[in-house]
Amino acid sequence: EVQLVETGGGLIQPGGSLRLSCAASGFTVSSNYMSWVRQAPGKGLEWVSVIYSGGSTYYADSVKGRFTISRDNSKNTLYLQMNSLRAEDTAVYYCARVNAVRGPDYYYYYYMDVWGKGTTVTVSS
Amino acid sequence: QSVLTQPPSASGTPGQRVTISCSGSSSNIGSNTVNWYQQLPGTAPKLLIYSNNQRPSGVPDRFSGSKSGTSASLAISGLQSEDEADYYCAAWDDSLNGPKWVFGGGTKLTVL
Repeated sequence: EVQLVETGGGLIQPGGSLRLSCAASGFTVSSNYMSWVRQAPGKGLEWVSVIYSGGSTYYADSVKGRFTISRDNSKNTLYLQMNSLRAEDTAVYYCARVNAVRGPDYYYYYYMDVWGKGTTVTVSS
Repeated sequence: QSVLTQPPSASGTPGQRVTISCSGSSSNIGSNTVNWYQQLPGTAPKLLIYSNNQRPSGVPDRFSGSKSGTSASLAISGLQSEDEADYYCAAWDDSLNGPKWVFGGGTKLTVL
């Protein structure tokens, strides 16, 4: 069964650091694009970061320079290292697998098809 | 402020057909496909529609998607009480600052 399980969330003081993990089963993390998406309390979905199968990484402007996405191929696990945390980083963090379909124009079009249940990060003093 | 624009709410009665719109720009919807997610209360988002109009296995054919230019829409026919949820559109955005995913602000669907 294809599954993602996030761990590592918790209560952290502003300015602190936290590392989230996302353990995958049923597929290989390194063969896929993988992404982190967050949802602040009562708010909508916000994309955070993506790592390509080739290793390239991209970030939302709101976390650039503070968060780092990475993976451990031997553990089939995705990570999100979060530094200099702020109150506005408080959210449920989801990891998601990014799948692709080839269009009639031979371009690949991407979508997040498998999501974990999320882990909650609360930044507060 | 979300990059993609959705109405904050929608409603319908059981059996009715409802549509939810999603408006973007040339760098996202205009040049990439649109995906739709359903989020039931207290749960993770679930892929509902990908590549504008494709349904993953297990999604009822009551759900359909379409795209035209820089806008997209999700239609739900034969509305059921279990369809009450938040719905989000999403698209890849080929911005000059680097690629990124963008989401709509979400539409809360109420089944009256």
